[in-house]
Amino acid sequence: EPEVTQTPSHQVTQMGQEVILRCVPISNHLYFYWYRQILGQKVEFLVSFYNNEISEKSEIFDDQFSVERPDGSNFTLKIRSTKLEDSAMYFCASKEREGLYTGELFFGEGSRLTVL
Amino acid sequence: AQTVTQSQPEMSVQEAETVTLSCTYDTSESDYYLFWYKQPPSRQMILVIRQEAYKQQNATENRFSVNFQKAAKSFSLKISDSQLGDAAMYFCAYSRVGFGGSEKLVFGKGMKLTVNP
Repeated sequence: EPEVTQTPSHQVTQMGQEVILRCVPISNHLYFYWYRQILGQKVEFLVSFYNNEISEKSEIFDDQFSVERPDGSNFTLKIRSTKLEDSAMYFCASKEREGLYTGELFFGEGSRLTVL
Repeated sequence: AQTVTQSQPEMSVQEAETVTLSCTYDTSESDYYLFWYKQPPSRQMILVIRQEAYKQQNATENRFSVNFQKAAKSFSLKISDSQLGDAAMYFCAYSRVGFGGSEKLVFGKGMKLTVNP
């Protein structure tokens, strides 16, 4: 069964370093998302992406964050200069099609980012 | 802004018994979707069950059913005949209705369910 895959599963980085989290969504999906969950807190929406551009972003998704789909398969989240508070589990998700929204997002296993 | 609250961080249930997970939400919309997602340890979040707010009938999926109380803004998940494989984090989530869009999910904090043999 097709899955959303994420790499790395865990990354440790120093504050101020750039980090790229990678996701391979399910191949026929059209909408892509990043969420994050800080330990003990809610899963929070970061950004949605459709047709090669950002559809919506949250207030968390500031200028330090960027997303792109460089080659039609990967979907990446870049954090330019990491802060301690960026430590979290980052989830990638994708959705299949246009039209009536059914709500079923397909999630990856997550990438745990630890900023020291 | 919409919010989702799961007030119980952890619950446990004996195998074969029934457990109910609670969720409340807040929205000013009249039509929306509510979801329960399950995340087993080190696995992806997967959709368990979905409820459209305009439907009065509670959704059911095999051993999983919901009690949707729109006026009270309550959306609980009942798991019947609990199995060891039901052990997971359970997330309640909300989404507004949209067409052709990238409508985001608003999640609760999650609840860890332990199933005891």
